[in-house]
Amino acid sequence: GAVVSQHPSRVICKSGTSVKIECRSLDFQATTMFWYRQFPKQSLMLMATSNEGSKATYEQGVEKDKFLINHASLTLSTLTVTSAHPEDSSFYICSAIRDSYEQYFGPGTRLTVT
Amino acid sequence: QQPVQSPQAVILREGEDAVINCSSSKALYSVHWYRQKHGEAPVFLMILLKGGEQKGHEKISASFNEKKQQSSLYLTASQLSYSGTYFCGTDRGNQAGTALIFGKGTTLSVSS
Repeated sequence: GAVVSQHPSRVICKSGTSVKIECRSLDFQATTMFWYRQFPKQSLMLMATSNEGSKATYEQGVEKDKFLINHASLTLSTLTVTSAHPEDSSFYICSAIRDSYEQYFGPGTRLTVT
Repeated sequence: QQPVQSPQAVILREGEDAVINCSSSKALYSVHWYRQKHGEAPVFLMILLKGGEQKGHEKISASFNEKKQQSSLYLTASQLSYSGTYFCGTDRGNQAGTALIFGKGTTLSVSS
């Protein structure tokens, strides 16, 4: 069964608004979670590493003030897309590592900004 | 340092075999294989670690040549359900448990 959940699965928002996406590890604790973004017919691109109890580490080119990440507990990381624009429309996927190296992905959140 | 996958696409009939390759320009600690169907998240298939340890689904096999920094995924007696895009991912750091860098994917289409 699923070991990582995401909510919501789909969201449509207006340009300029903010959207929060939750990522939960269901039956294990994850001190580290990762956020990826995938545009149509492209590969997954790492956005940031979410560390429980500390600041997230962002990849080059990813604006930390626009994509706010909070990893408040060992089972929950959130990604907030602030002041969303149509170019932020994408498939956002989180992952968590279980048993040291197995990385499991959540079901993804499809964001559409109108 | 994105790994390179080949071929880009494969078309099979049910029961046929395929091999998908993944190569990296940097030393690898592990290689991860995933399958993604349209509109869904990637599903874990297999992980191969430096030193020979493997973990994954019973019906999937793969190899990892540490010296050549290459991995191959072997799909035998393909089924319709095998259709999808296959991604290999390599550790971003030099140890397991780091974020993954994914190849561009190999699209597999299996028809009856």
